[in-house]
Amino acid sequence: KAGVTQTPRYLIKTRGQQVTLSCSPISGHRSVSWYQQTPGQGLQFLFEYFSETQRNKGNFPGRFSGRQFSNSRSEMNVSTLELGDSALYLCASSLALRGRGGTDTQYFGPGTRLTVL
Amino acid sequence: AQTVTQSQPEMSVQEAETVTLSCTYDTSESDYYLFWYKQPPSRQMILVIRQEAYKQQNATENRFSVNFQKAAKSFSLKISDSQLGDAAMYFCAYRWPNTGNQFYFGTGTSLTVIP
Repeated sequence: KAGVTQTPRYLIKTRGQQVTLSCSPISGHRSVSWYQQTPGQGLQFLFEYFSETQRNKGNFPGRFSGRQFSNSRSEMNVSTLELGDSALYLCASSLALRGRGGTDTQYFGPGTRLTVL
Repeated sequence: AQTVTQSQPEMSVQEAETVTLSCTYDTSESDYYLFWYKQPPSRQMILVIRQEAYKQQNATENRFSVNFQKAAKSFSLKISDSQLGDAAMYFCAYRWPNTGNQFYFGTGTSLTVIP
C-alpha cells in the first residue's frame, strides 16, 4: 500500500505570497493532520481534517487554513507568508476508526520544506 | 494543557549496546495514548512503538520496548542491541482521544550510534 505523499517536496516563496501544499493520505485513511516543524518550536499541530470537516485546530493564525476533499486528500494554504513560516510541513494520516485497536496511529509523509525569503 | 517533556536533547550509544530515552508528560486524563516516533536524516517520521494508557503491560516491538509508569507519567524508550540505523531524532508523543487525532510532541532526543 502506498504511503502518505506530499507535494511539492521543496518550495521557495517570498514574503507576502501565498502557498498551497498538498497531502495524499494512505488509501482508506480518513483523518489527515498537519504539523509545522521548526528548530525553535519543534513539532506543532496545525489542524486535523476528518471526513472533509476540520475536527481540530492548533494555535496558529488565520493565515493558515486547510481543507479536505471527498477522497480524503488534503490541502493546506498559507496566505501572506512571513519569514517565520519557513519550516518543514508534515502531513499525517490515520484510519481513525471508532474504538480501540491502534487505528489512531498517524503515518507521516516526507514533508514539504518551505523557505520564505 | 497537555505537555510532553524530553529532558535529553542528545544521547549516544555504542553499537550493540542498550540505551534508554526518557519522556515525561503532564495530563489529568486517565485514558490516552503514547507514542515514540523516529525521524532519521531523511526527515520521514516513522512510528516506533505505541502504548495505550489503560494497558498495564509495556509495549514491545522487536528491539524496542517501553517502560510505562502511569502514576509517574513517565514513558521511556529502551533500544536494545543498538544498530547504526537507529541513529535519528526520537520524539515522544501524547494523544488524548477527546481532542481527535491531535498529537502533542516532545522536543526530541537526538541519538547517535557509535560504531
